[in-house]
Amino acid sequence: EVQLLESGGGLVQPGGSLRLSCAASGFTFRTYAMSWVRQAPGKGLEWVSGLSTTDFNTYYADSVKGRFTISRDNSKNTLYLQMNSLTTEDTAVYFCAKEGSSWPNYNGLDVWGQGTTVTVSS
Amino acid sequence: QSALTQPASVSGSPGQSITISCTGTSSDVGGYNYVSWYQQHPGKAPKLMIYDVSKRPSGVSNRFSGSKSGNTASLTISGLQAEDEADYYCSSYTSSSTSVFGGGTKLTVL
Repeated sequence: EVQLLESGGGLVQPGGSLRLSCAASGFTFRTYAMSWVRQAPGKGLEWVSGLSTTDFNTYYADSVKGRFTISRDNSKNTLYLQMNSLTTEDTAVYFCAKEGSSWPNYNGLDVWGQGTTVTVSS
Repeated sequence: QSALTQPASVSGSPGQSITISCTGTSSDVGGYNYVSWYQQHPGKAPKLMIYDVSKRPSGVSNRFSGSKSGNTASLTISGLQAEDEADYYCSSYTSSSTSVFGGGTKLTVL
């Protein structure tokens, strides 16, 4: 069964950091691009970041550029999102998602995790 | 990276057809055939319904179809069913090699 399982969410103070992980199973992880999408409480979906099959090609939304870093470990079938300088605007459910091809943002996100909640509050 | 424009809500009766629009610019929807549509039920993860403007993933009902004209993409659901009631989001590739979502449309089946 194709599956994505996020972890690492929690409560963090403004200015703090958090690292999200997404464990993949049931497909050849190293051959697909991956992305992170978030959803603030009661709001719509917001694309956050994507990367190709290696760490060499990464892309970010303007709202997180310079603060968030996406990466992957193909040997561990795991996707990461390092989040620094967090603000209350970053409070959301964070979903990891599998792309339909080896390049992000082209062919749709065909597999999604259940999401992990990040709350930024003092 | 402005969000794509979708109507906040649409509604229809069982058996009817509805269309949800998604308007962008020549830098996203109008410039590429990489528009996707997602269905999201409350408390659940989104589900891919349409990709590459009009392609359906395996397992998605053929009642769902997509199209594009200029800077506007559309999702049509025919033969509305109660289970179609959900939020729907469009997404497009952009000239910055990023993605952008629409604000979402709440579909109510009357």
